[in-house]
Amino acid sequence: DQQVKQNSPSLSVQEGRISILNCDYTNSMFDYFLWYKKYPAEGPTFLISISSIKDKNEDGRFTVFLNKSAKHLSLHIVPSQPGDSAVYFCAALYSGDKLTFGTGTRLAVRP
Amino acid sequence: GAGVSQSPSNKVTEKGKDVELRCDPISGHTALYWYRQSLGQGLEFLIYFQGNSAPDKSGLPSDRFSAERTGGSVSTLTIQRTQQEDSAVYLCASSFGPGNQPQHFGDGTRLSIL
Repeated sequence: DQQVKQNSPSLSVQEGRISILNCDYTNSMFDYFLWYKKYPAEGPTFLISISSIKDKNEDGRFTVFLNKSAKHLSLHIVPSQPGDSAVYFCAALYSGDKLTFGTGTRLAVRP
Repeated sequence: GAGVSQSPSNKVTEKGKDVELRCDPISGHTALYWYRQSLGQGLEFLIYFQGNSAPDKSGLPSDRFSAERTGGSVSTLTIQRTQQEDSAVYLCASSFGPGNQPQHFGDGTRLSIL
């Protein structure tokens, strides 16, 4: 039972444009959501998070949006840069417990 | 550095052998987690340590898997009688738990069972 879903396995975007990565979840008990970025042969790197009491959190070029009624969150990267090319994982927490991850979306930013 | 450190970075072993994977968390982090990522899969939770509490072992796939955390710091994940399906990248993370805190990951141990 996949509680966190990333339905797009890959995304290609032109440099300078916006990248939008999507994530859906099924467990309404999740109260904290995170995005991680992963390069090959490295561990995931924490990017940005959002509490379930908020609907938006922004940090520089990265913004996460949460729509609780739709059980949907998205990560916006603008402007996209070639160095953003990586696999992005959406993850969710319930009461500070272990992370439940999506299967990841591979982002390629074309120069 | 000051990040989560895992060793070895790569391990190749024969089916049936035991392996030990090590994790050194970020200093001051009380929570420690083990995950694994099999080929083409997302990250799968294995076990969670928080302070002196009994660990949450709910993600361990079989009784061949065990983990301990000595002195509230370093952790070892042991896989006995390894099988080919154990091949994966094993990732350790730590955080200022409990509560909603970002977990910080090491670079993982890539385990290959021949």
